[in-house]
Amino acid sequence: GAVVSQHPSWVICKSGTSVKIECRSLDFQATTMFWYRQFPKQSLMLMATSNEGSKATYEQGVEKDKFLINHASLTLSTLTVTSAHPEDSSFYICSARDNNLGGRGNEQFFGPGTRLTVL
Amino acid sequence: AQKVTQAQTEISVVEKEDVTLDCVYETRDTTYYLFWYKQPPSGELVFLIRRNSFDEQNEISGRYSWNFQKSTSSFNFTITASQVVDSAVYFCALSDTRPNTGFQKLVFGTGTRLLVSP
Repeated sequence: GAVVSQHPSWVICKSGTSVKIECRSLDFQATTMFWYRQFPKQSLMLMATSNEGSKATYEQGVEKDKFLINHASLTLSTLTVTSAHPEDSSFYICSARDNNLGGRGNEQFFGPGTRLTVL
Repeated sequence: AQKVTQAQTEISVVEKEDVTLDCVYETRDTTYYLFWYKQPPSGELVFLIRRNSFDEQNEISGRYSWNFQKSTSSFNFTITASQVVDSAVYFCALSDTRPNTGFQKLVFGTGTRLLVSP
């Protein structure tokens, strides 16, 4: 149980295009999902907290108009990188928190990541 | 502010050696959780352990063991008899918690790259 998927696993796009990344909780419901970015050989940095049915909470320094987050259902959050540029090339990882407050309820389960390369 | 420090950037060992990865954290919260994750070359984070701030008992799971010491704000991770498959980047992370809302967010250390050679 507690599986999180991401799609696509990798994407290459031209500068100026927009890219959408999906994060799905496959066997549990997640009111809260998190989006992280990881540059090569660096740590994971939280970009934003995605809340189902409400606006995402962005970390300081993250442009909300550039990284659009939509959390329309309890199993799906999407991150859209708008007008992507080479500096947006990174590894994007999502995680989801199980709504079940018992047992594993407070853990974050991570997706496999999406590698974005902007040419 | 919360902070996690992994001072060892990279460690190289030969198979069967024991290795300890250090993690030092800073937080003003009295209730918090500490984690270790493994990130192999594929990139996917593999959960290893979660420990809450009230449980200072050391834990052993196979070749893995963890030493949590609140007095020194450390949560070190030891791999006994290392194997080539242990080669990966290991992240220590800290999370606070708010009543009735679960975790707020995870703060990751910069990671330690472990290279185990045959």
